Amino acid sequence: DVKVTQSSRYLVKRTGEKVFLECVQDMDHENMFWYRQDPGLGLRLIYFSYDVKMKEKGDIPEGYSVSREKKERFSLILESASTNQTSMYLCASGRQRSSNQPQHFGDGTRLSIL
Amino acid sequence: SQQGEEDPQALSIQEGENATMNCSYKTSINNLQWYRQNSGRGLVHLILIRSNEREKHSGRLRVTLDTSKKSSSLLITASRAADTASYFCNLLYSSASKIIFGSGTRLSIRP
Repeated sequence: DVKVTQSSRYLVKRTGEKVFLECVQDMDHENMFWYRQDPGLGLRLIYFSYDVKMKEKGDIPEGYSVSREKKERFSLILESASTNQTSMYLCASGRQRSSNQPQHFGDGTRLSIL
Repeated sequence: SQQGEEDPQALSIQEGENATMNCSYKTSINNLQWYRQNSGRGLVHLILIRSNEREKHSGRLRVTLDTSKKSSSLLITASRAADTASYFCNLLYSSASKIIFGSGTRLSIRP
């Protein structure tokens, strides 16, 4: 069965900290995505990666960076966490972004910035 | 805005009844998908319908697509308590290669 694993379900950090969210997929998918989900706003794309070491900005990349050193792992980095980055973060993977093939999601990381 | 819009935002029905939720969009799409999200969990893909298709079925799910009205409907028949979840449409806009998730419909099934 396909699996996308996010390293933490819940995380509490302080403002100004550098925060790493990790995501691993076991489906050999080319594409990986990071979204944040906030009430009433749906899912918003932060960054995606279509290959190792390749990345593209999504709709709300400010304050975030990403890293993809291996095909199966995609990391989201909050360079200096702020309270407005408190949110649910969802990682997904999929094939053929250009044809919008179904994405497979992890269970999310609920991040609180104090 | 190119955002996919679902309606209603929330829906509460009796177990056994049918649930219908809708998704509207602005410009032409390549395909449209529906996802389910149980509380506190990630999204699960339900069904994909291509722009040249009008209807698809999967078990108790029926999806329709009307490209002239730029809208899609998800029908869940004979609802069960386990159907309680949020449902999202997801679109790929042809022109911008932009993937959009709607803001979702929260479905509650009353016993």
